[in-house]
Amino acid sequence: KNQVEQSPQSLIILEGKNCTLQCNYTVSPFSNLRWYKQDTGRGPVSLTIMTFSENTKSNGRYTATLDADTKQSSLHITASQLSDSASYICVVSGGYNKLIFGAGTRLAVHP
Amino acid sequence: DAGITQSPRYKITETGRQVTLMCHQTWSHSYMFWYRQDLGHGLRLIYYSAAADITDKGEVPDGYVVSRSKTENFPLTLESATRSQTSVYFCASRPTGTAYEQYFGPGTRLTVT
Repeated sequence: KNQVEQSPQSLIILEGKNCTLQCNYTVSPFSNLRWYKQDTGRGPVSLTIMTFSENTKSNGRYTATLDADTKQSSLHITASQLSDSASYICVVSGGYNKLIFGAGTRLAVHP
Repeated sequence: DAGITQSPRYKITETGRQVTLMCHQTWSHSYMFWYRQDLGHGLRLIYYSAAADITDKGEVPDGYVVSRSKTENFPLTLESATRSQTSVYFCASRPTGTAYEQYFGPGTRLTVT
């Protein structure tokens, strides 16, 4: 069964600290993996997209990694800010219009 | 304004009523999508459209109807709303090409009483 599992479900960190969110997937075939940020009451916004051959991609303070062999990805946030408080969603594309969404990790950054 | 918009943003309706959620995009993207997002679950695809007058079912299409007479509009209709359709609905669009990003609207929170 095609699945995307994220951990932890929720996370609280202090402003300025780093954190890493995890994503494991069992989607086949694999086309690409995306990380989205979803602020409360808003639609998801793309952070990164990685294909099979890419193992690291950065977008400012966000760095995503992909290990296609172990089917794992992580999203590392450096020097967190209050505006990073959001849900982070891992999405795996299995081909034509087939996106499998994880349930997300809810991150709260406290001052 | 450019982008993708949804209306209404909030809707309360009664069981059995018909309700239509609107989605409009100004990018002339070929593809448009409807998803629902429920607490504790990932977004699930309801229907998608590859172009005007071309639509196809997603993962959870039962109880929903779509149409796409114009490229920019993709309305979603619940013909007879049920409580299980209480959810947040997101519309998205993207250009042709599977690697292109999907751009999501702000969502419609629908409550069926």
